[in-house]
Amino acid sequence: QSALTQPASVSGSPGQSITISCTGTSSDVGTYNLVSWYQQHPGKAPKLMIFEVNKRSSGFSNRFSASKSGNTASLTISGLQAEDEADYYCCSYAGDRGFVFGGGSKVTVL
Amino acid sequence: EVQLVESGGGLVKPGESLRLSCAASGFPFSKYTLNWVRQAPGKGLEWVSSISSSSREINYADSVKGRFTISRDNAKNSMFLQMNSLRAEDTAVYYCARFPILGESYFEYWGQGILVTVSS
Repeated sequence: QSALTQPASVSGSPGQSITISCTGTSSDVGTYNLVSWYQQHPGKAPKLMIFEVNKRSSGFSNRFSASKSGNTASLTISGLQAEDEADYYCCSYAGDRGFVFGGGSKVTVL
Repeated sequence: EVQLVESGGGLVKPGESLRLSCAASGFPFSKYTLNWVRQAPGKGLEWVSSISSSSREINYADSVKGRFTISRDNAKNSMFLQMNSLRAEDTAVYYCARFPILGESYFEYWGQGILVTVSS
């Protein structure tokens, strides 16, 4: 069982917006502004998308945005495109526990 | 271009050992903290261990503490993971991942991963 809770799957039609939630605790997401998000296509390594809650990595457009409120972080993908179909993972620094990940959310473009 | 290339994976029996390597290029290796992150088949990501640039600071996930040892050789631009007393639940793709130079709080670059299978 993963330390951070994400929905197993999220879907949307092309052009729509979707949001993926990532719920942790006051020992990780709630305390540290050190949440990152990763995109993983099948058979590939994860790619950094977002770091420090809401800073976009190079290579990812402003269609991708993120935020945090309390113990929950969120990733929003706007203008959904076919190439956005992938698995998405959140991650938080967790002090003595090091880093904890969510279980991943599979995004399907309908 | 930053490159991280893992090697040393394979099939081993429960209780056996294996040593993974991560060869790095395209950046000043000795200045960066590195990590191992693993992913069991069909499952999510799990941080395993980190080692600072000088090897002075080393951390492990509770799931591998006492069984795995991380190390690095800055002269050879390489990082290692010695895995002892392997268990079936250690079966995973193991990724080498680099922190940024400042704010060591996210995995900026990843290798392609190497599969470790623990099975009798």
